[in-house]
Amino acid sequence: DVKVTQSSRYLVKRTGEKVFLECVQDMDHENMFWYRQDPGLGLRLIYFSYDVKMKEKGDIPEGYSVSREKKERFSLILESASTNQTSMYLCASSPPDSSGDSYEQYFGPGTRLTVT
Amino acid sequence: QKEVEQDPGPLSVPEGAIVSLNCTYSNSAFQYFMWYRQYSRKGPELLMYTYSSGNKEDGRFTAQVDKSSKYISLFIRDSQPSDSATYLCAMSEGGFKTIFGAGTRLFVKA
Repeated sequence: DVKVTQSSRYLVKRTGEKVFLECVQDMDHENMFWYRQDPGLGLRLIYFSYDVKMKEKGDIPEGYSVSREKKERFSLILESASTNQTSMYLCASSPPDSSGDSYEQYFGPGTRLTVT
Repeated sequence: QKEVEQDPGPLSVPEGAIVSLNCTYSNSAFQYFMWYRQYSRKGPELLMYTYSSGNKEDGRFTAQVDKSSKYISLFIRDSQPSDSATYLCAMSEGGFKTIFGAGTRLFVKA
């Protein structure tokens, strides 16, 4: 079974703090993703990574950065947390198929972040 | 207009009913069509995916894609209380990017 774990289930931080969310996958997947999930908006892609040290911006990268120093680990960093970053954060990993498409994603349990 | 539209529900059905969940989309370049199930306080899990048009069946679940109408459906036969969850449709042109619907909450009452 693919296992994607996230460092915290619930997190409460203050405005302006630097926040680190960690994600680890154990299936040697090349691709990893960070999404946020908000009611009525679905999942929105923040960043993805297709290899160690490689990253691409998603749809809503502003206020976030990422780090991928090892293949199994993908970190999301909120440089200076703001209240509008209160959300559920989901990490996913994906193997590419033979044509390089990564439609099959495996998600972690999520981190519910509250910024006060 | 959102690229993917999905009725948020909630949808409440009695046990044993046939459930129909639907999404519409606007991007004709989508090739991969997925359905994810998300239980409360869990991450989504992939239920089924379809490449291009047509039907796909897996046990009690059937996924249908109608590219001419830009409409996809998930049918659940003989629904069970354990099917109570949020169902997310998702679509991709290929590559890395997947667009998710907002999800439909389903309640199956015993």
